[in-house]
Amino acid sequence: DIVMTQSPDSLAVSLGERATINCKSSQSILYRASNKNYLAWYQQKPGQPPKLLIYWASTRESGVPDRFSGSGSGTDFTLTISSLQAADVAIYYCQQHYSTPVTFGGGTKVEIK
Amino acid sequence: EVQLVQSGGGLIPPGGSLRLSCAASGFTVSSNYMSWVRQTPGKGLECVSILYSGGSTLYADSVRGRFTISRDNSKNTLYLQMNNLRAEDTAVYYCTKSPVNGTTLRYFQHWGQGTLVTVSS
Repeated sequence: DIVMTQSPDSLAVSLGERATINCKSSQSILYRASNKNYLAWYQQKPGQPPKLLIYWASTRESGVPDRFSGSGSGTDFTLTISSLQAADVAIYYCQQHYSTPVTFGGGTKVEIK
Repeated sequence: EVQLVQSGGGLIPPGGSLRLSCAASGFTVSSNYMSWVRQTPGKGLECVSILYSGGSTLYADSVRGRFTISRDNSKNTLYLQMNNLRAEDTAVYYCTKSPVNGTTLRYFQHWGQGTLVTVSS
């Protein structure tokens, strides 16, 4: 199984500042034939299901604010919130869908400093 | 608009059975890649089963032989039949829909509201 490791476990960022979340896969999730990284990012607020933010490592889902961006390739990925808003307080998860079983990272909790 | 409305769940003793339902609207279940994903505080998020539009299925090792994913096309509803339940199956279960086009394994674009299954005597 591909292990997805997120860091940090939690971070506190001031409103308007940048938040950066890292996700590392235990093997490459870049499919060379398509040049796509099979990685998605989700946001989960308390009492709600996860919400898709980013797919193919860097493509924003429709309706997701452009302060959210994804980057990286191969085994190392980053989710960046360029200017943290109060509404962004949540737990963020990465997920690989390169090989079975699909697996998720353990989550990163983002709070306001 | 895609909507997934879940029902079922509750408290069930070890060894018992339970069926979760996921009523879909805004799309046709039989034409889509549907999954059940569960979440626990300890193990996090885990995809337990996938049902492809063609009818083939995938199961996590942890539930294979005990859980069955299926759909009722006339009701546009997805199901998860869970048998021989164990304490470690205690989780919030989510019904999900993936994009229409994609690879064999996909990300989860739409999620139901979740339903809590508690396995305990």
